[in-house]
Amino acid sequence: DSGVTQTPKHLITATGQRVTLRCSPRSGDLSVYWYQQSLDQGLQFLIQYYNGEERAKGNILERFSAQQFPDLHSELNLSSLELGDSALYFCASSVLADSTDTQYFGPGTRLTVL
Amino acid sequence: DAKTTQPNSMESNEEEPVHLPCNHSTISGTDYIHWYRQLPSQGPEYVIHGLTSNVNNRMASLAIAEDRKSSTLILHRATLRDAAVYYCILRGAISNFGNEKLTFGTGTRLTIIP
Repeated sequence: DSGVTQTPKHLITATGQRVTLRCSPRSGDLSVYWYQQSLDQGLQFLIQYYNGEERAKGNILERFSAQQFPDLHSELNLSSLELGDSALYFCASSVLADSTDTQYFGPGTRLTVL
Repeated sequence: DAKTTQPNSMESNEEEPVHLPCNHSTISGTDYIHWYRQLPSQGPEYVIHGLTSNVNNRMASLAIAEDRKSSTLILHRATLRDAAVYYCILRGAISNFGNEKLTFGTGTRLTIIP
């Protein structure tokens, strides 16, 4: 158990819909990262927040957005869902945001878009 | 951004050492080399990281080439529990705000043969 929690574990929805994935980082961790893992794309970095502020952006679509709240939990919002958005979404957290930091990953949320 | 190249898959016999290679020919002087692994149906977990010198911990050893253009993760005595996808990634200095290198890619799928 990494100490990072993600809800829900599974999500099934239809194309065109909007969903919100939630992540609670380990106690004391200030940085949160979001990743998407699909079968043919590997683990793709989406976005990182540090202490409430956006720190780095990866391959995040404009239909996706995220935020980190004052209590440091984070939400990833996916809108106008397409079949290709079906994937595992992982959240990770770390104490800071520097190059020596260890990321601790949550168990993931499996999103299925029908 | 500097990228890493890993073989798609490798096999090893149980209780034998495993050497997992990673090429990162465009690494910059301040990039740290991190290794993570992802066991089946789990989120990735940290294995080891280093900058220039070889590193050892309870899980593995990291051998870094003198020119830092490649590295090797060494599992000294592979067990069935080590079967996983292993990712080699580079993490840049904190001064690279907004340019954090967090690309995991597809990693190396390690199969352990009993």
